[in-house]
Amino acid sequence: GESVGLHLPTLSVQEGDNSIINCAYSNSASDYFIWYKQESGKGPQFIIDIRSNMDKRQGQRVTVLLNKTVKHLSLQIAATQPGDSAVYFCAENTGFQKLVFGTGTRLLVSP
Amino acid sequence: EAGVAQSPRYKIIEKRQSVAFWCNPISGHATLYWYQQILGQGPKLLIQFQNNGVVDDSQLPKDRFSAERLKGVDSTLKIQPAKLEDSAVYLCASSYTGVFEKLFFGSGTQLSVL
Repeated sequence: GESVGLHLPTLSVQEGDNSIINCAYSNSASDYFIWYKQESGKGPQFIIDIRSNMDKRQGQRVTVLLNKTVKHLSLQIAATQPGDSAVYFCAENTGFQKLVFGTGTRLLVSP
Repeated sequence: EAGVAQSPRYKIIEKRQSVAFWCNPISGHATLYWYQQILGQGPKLLIQFQNNGVVDDSQLPKDRFSAERLKGVDSTLKIQPAKLEDSAVYLCASSYTGVFEKLFFGSGTQLSVL
C-alpha cells in the first residue's frame, strides 16, 4: 500500500512510554477539532474530538488538550503500543463544517 | 455497520486521460466529502455535499475536476484531462449531519498519472 508522509515530522518513542503530538492551528474562529490516525494504505481513522468550549477531553488511552490562547492542540497517548505507529493529523473546523487538516506527525513506536 | 466504500483501489493513467472514482457513504449519512491527499501532506477538501447539493467546492479545480452526488447517496469524482500533479490519494468521507461530527473515511483511491 501507499506510504503516507515520507517527509513528515517524526516522533520516536519506546513501547510503554507516553507520547505527545502537537499541532498548531490557524483559525482563531475554529470551533471544533479532531485528531485522526492514518496507517499506511488506509484512510484517516477518528481518534478523539473536542469543541472549542472545552480545554481537555479524555478517551481510552488518549487525551486531547486545547489551548485557544496560543492556538495549540495536543494529543497525548498513554502507554504507547507498536499498533499506535501511524501518521497523526489534527483537523480544525473553520466554518460550515469544513475540516482543514494539518500536515501530520509520524509516530514510530519501538518494541 | 458498513464503512465508506470506494473504488477502484488503485488507478494508473497517462496524462491527458480521464478517470473516475466512486464512493458509497455510510447508510444514512447526509454529508459527503471528497479529499485529495498528496504524498506527505494532510488531506485537502475538494468538495462537500449535503444530500445531493454542493455546500463547498471552492478548492475544486473546476476546469478539470467534476463531482456529482445523484439521489443524495453515491458520488463520483471525475478528472478530465488528468495532469501529473493530480497524482494523489482521493479520499471519500461521510458524516451524519456534518455539524460537530467526525468524518468517516474510506480507504481511498491511489491515482498515479504518468
